[in-house]
Amino acid sequence: EAQVTQNPRYLITVTGKKLTVTCSQNMNHEYMSWYRQDPGLGLRQIYYSMNVEVTDKGDVPEGYKVSRKEKRNFPLILESPSPNQTSLYFCASRNTGTGGYEQYFGPGTRLTVT
Amino acid sequence: AQSVTQLGSHVSVSEGALVLLRCNYSSSVPPYLFWYVQYPNQGLQLLLKYTSAATLVKGINGFEAEFKKSETSFHLTKPSAHMSDAAEYFCAVSGSGGSYIPTFGRGTSLIVHP
Repeated sequence: EAQVTQNPRYLITVTGKKLTVTCSQNMNHEYMSWYRQDPGLGLRQIYYSMNVEVTDKGDVPEGYKVSRKEKRNFPLILESPSPNQTSLYFCASRNTGTGGYEQYFGPGTRLTVT
Repeated sequence: AQSVTQLGSHVSVSEGALVLLRCNYSSSVPPYLFWYVQYPNQGLQLLLKYTSAATLVKGINGFEAEFKKSETSFHLTKPSAHMSDAAEYFCAVSGSGGSYIPTFGRGTSLIVHP
């Protein structure tokens, strides 16, 4: 089954404790992306990757890091989480080539930073 | 540059009534347009997309959208709402070249009353 998986689905942590949210896709997609969803603000892109070893900032990259060492994986790293990073996070992937390919989304990771 | 505006953060309808969710876009290149749906506690999934073929696009669950270039709109409709349609709906636009990265609207929450 074609899918994007994220782990963990729920995470409660404390300020400053480094964490990683994993994302993996099995569709051989070149493009992967991370979003955060907050009430009233919709989806905002954090980082994206056009292919292995190619990453770029989205609209809200501050406080986040990513890496793309393998095509299927795109982890999101919060080195020193703060309460304003409490949010619902989504990973997504798609084919490249044109803008007409839809994105496939993971189930989301709900992060709470206290 | 590209952008998406979804009019109305919440839309409330009665079961059996017409659903109309509005989306206006701006794009400096011919756009690709998408509607995604997010059911409670789930990730986003594609409802339908416009990729320059037919201007009237049919999607899943009885939804359809019409691309109107002159109005820069891509409104989502369904003739008769069902309780199961209650969800968050996102409109997105992407293009080619530098506009390849999709831009999302802020979302519209559809509430269906019995």
